[in-house]
Amino acid sequence: QKEVEQNSGPLSVPEGAIASLNCTYSDRVSQSFFWYRQYSGKSPELIMSIYSNGDKEDGRFTAQLNKASQYVSLLIRDSQPSDSATYLCAVNPSSGYALNFGKGTSLLVTP
Amino acid sequence: KAGVTQTPRYLIKTRGQQVTLSCSPISGHRSVSWYQQTPGQGLQFLFEYFSETQRNKGNFPGRFSGRQFSNSRSEMNVSTLELGDSALYLCASSLGSQGRGDTQYFGPGTRLTVL
Repeated sequence: QKEVEQNSGPLSVPEGAIASLNCTYSDRVSQSFFWYRQYSGKSPELIMSIYSNGDKEDGRFTAQLNKASQYVSLLIRDSQPSDSATYLCAVNPSSGYALNFGKGTSLLVTP
Repeated sequence: KAGVTQTPRYLIKTRGQQVTLSCSPISGHRSVSWYQQTPGQGLQFLFEYFSETQRNKGNFPGRFSGRQFSNSRSEMNVSTLELGDSALYLCASSLGSQGRGDTQYFGPGTRLTVL
C-alpha cells in the first residue's frame, strides 16, 4: 500500500504568519503531487499541483517538492482566518490512475 | 464551464437497503473517480472510469459498484447497506490522460447516512 503521510494537527498560526504544511510519500516513482483545501462540510478544492523538484508559487501559496527526500510541502504566506481548513496532500502513484490522499492537516489561523 | 455535479446531496437509508449516486463530470472530462470520505479513514479511492471502462479499483467489497455512460456521467451503487457505509461520497472528474498533469476536480459530494 502506497502511503501518504501528513501531520493531522491542528496547526495553529496567528494571522499574517506563514503556515507550513508537510507531506511525505512512500512511492519513490510518483510523478504528480497536489494540494487540496477542504472546508468543514465541503468538498476538496484544488490549490496547487507540482511535478518537478523545487518551488512553485501561486499568489500567497508556494508548493515545494523534493523527490529525493520524498517530501512535498505547502507554504501559505500572510495567513488569513479564511485559510482555516483541512489541507489534503495527494500523490499520483506510479501505477494506475487513482490519487492517494493523506488524511489531511487541520490549519487554524487565529485573528 | 460548469463544475462537477452530484445528486442527491443528502441521503438517509436504513441497513440492508441499496443506494445509487450520480455524478456528472466537467464538460470534456472523460474520467470519473469515486472516493469515500470518513473522519477515521480520510479519503479512500473506490474506482475510476474512463470511456465507460473501469480502469482502476480500490479495496472495497463487491457491494460497491459503478458504471459510466457514453456521455461520461457516472453512477455508483451500494447494495446491502451497512452502518459503516455512512460517509461523504465524492466524485472527481479529469481529462483522464496518463502520466503527470491530469488534475482531478471534485463535486460537492453526497452525504449518505445509514440508520
